[in-house]
Amino acid sequence: QVQLVQSGAEVKKPGASVKVSCKAFGYNFNTYYMHWVRLAPGQGLEWIGFLTPGGVDTGRAQNFQGRVSMTRDTSTNTVYMELSSLRSEDTAIYYCARGPPTGAYYFDSWGQGALVTVSS
Amino acid sequence: DIQMTQSPSTLSASVGDRVTITCRASQSISNWLAWYQQKPGKAPKLLIYKASSLESGVPSRFSGSGSGTEFTLTISSLQPDDFATYYCQQYNSDSTFGQGTKVEIK
Repeated sequence: QVQLVQSGAEVKKPGASVKVSCKAFGYNFNTYYMHWVRLAPGQGLEWIGFLTPGGVDTGRAQNFQGRVSMTRDTSTNTVYMELSSLRSEDTAIYYCARGPPTGAYYFDSWGQGALVTVSS
Repeated sequence: DIQMTQSPSTLSASVGDRVTITCRASQSISNWLAWYQQKPGKAPKLLIYKASSLESGVPSRFSGSGSGTEFTLTISSLQPDDFATYYCQQYNSDSTFGQGTKVEIK
């Protein structure tokens, strides 16, 4: 069945970067979009951006312009999200989430989440 | 950005109750709306997409309706497994989520 398995928790200092991975199982990796969403303490869900099935194009929310990079490795069916210039407000659980081939931005399968803590 | 406002923020209900959660968009989003359920320590789970389409495997007691700026999620008969936080999400223009509605035991 469809499964998204993410990398583990990270602790980073302000100003550093973090790279979270998401390995896909059980479906055609080259057909579906992959999105990233985060959940900060006491906050609601926040959409970060996406990578197209071909892995060439990306889109990102205004709040993350210039700070987030999304890439993939087709040899291992893994996508990556790198967030730079970290600040304390970036402390959150980061989820990868699969979007349908149509390109609609709803998400039918999610990773288990990766906690990123930003602290000096 | 399109803002999504859910009401209520918290809802106390009993098993067997009919529960309705409302989501309002700051501008028209047609029917590009999804609903998710999230339990503590777990990832969100898709319930409804395109405002009223039930995701495969989701119990039929969940239903969605609405278009334009006003939407509802209804649970026809609340079950013990349904106590959770629910989020609406617009995907008409990029994507934004509501702030969530926590459904708790009365």
